Amino acid sequence: SYVLTQPPSVSVAPGQTARITCGGNNIGSKSVHWYQQKPGQAPVLVVYDDSDRPSGIPERFSGSNSGNTATLTISRVEAGDEADYYCQVWDSSSDHHVVFGGGTKLTVL
Amino acid sequence: QEQLVQSGAEVKKPGASVKVSCKASGYSFTGYHMHWVRQAPGQGLEWMGWINPNSGGTNYAQKFQGRVTMTRDTSISTAYMELSRLRSDDTAVYYCAKADGWLLRYWGQGTLVTVSS
Repeated sequence: SYVLTQPPSVSVAPGQTARITCGGNNIGSKSVHWYQQKPGQAPVLVVYDDSDRPSGIPERFSGSNSGNTATLTISRVEAGDEADYYCQVWDSSSDHHVVFGGGTKLTVL
Repeated sequence: QEQLVQSGAEVKKPGASVKVSCKASGYSFTGYHMHWVRQAPGQGLEWMGWINPNSGGTNYAQKFQGRVTMTRDTSISTAYMELSRLRSDDTAVYYCAKADGWLLRYWGQGTLVTVSS
């Protein structure tokens, strides 16, 4: 089955740029979606189809996807961005299954 | 607006079954697949499967094959996830999520299922 690999943690100072990676075999050929989850809350979609933002998500959130790595970029990081972030794809090779990355804890210093 | 409201927390003994409900509103229930995802304490998201509310067709993750059953009642726009032969490591928050293609656009608030003797 398809595997997505994320770093367990990323730390960044307020106002700086955070980059969270999601690695997978030829992930550039897939559509990648990103979710933000704050403690005690359900996940929220923040980027879909590699780089699109749902309505209500700040422009500071952006995404890219190429080769074996997809990246979620959060510009001008704020304290309220501290959360767990998960990448997700659809694995068409395994009978239409959804795959999540292991998650990355973003800490705002 | 679109909303998914799940049933309340459950406490079950090992070997028992649990059935979690997810009531949809604000959109056409039969028009979008419903997925189920769980999260054990301190752990990441784990996909369990989906149901097509229109046809009732399902697709389960291999890990849960034989233990999970997803159903729906279109008359009340509600999806259900039943997990049987519960073990302590099934203790988790269970989420339903409305799919838009293969992304999960809206999520329920989650249902905590605790398995303990």
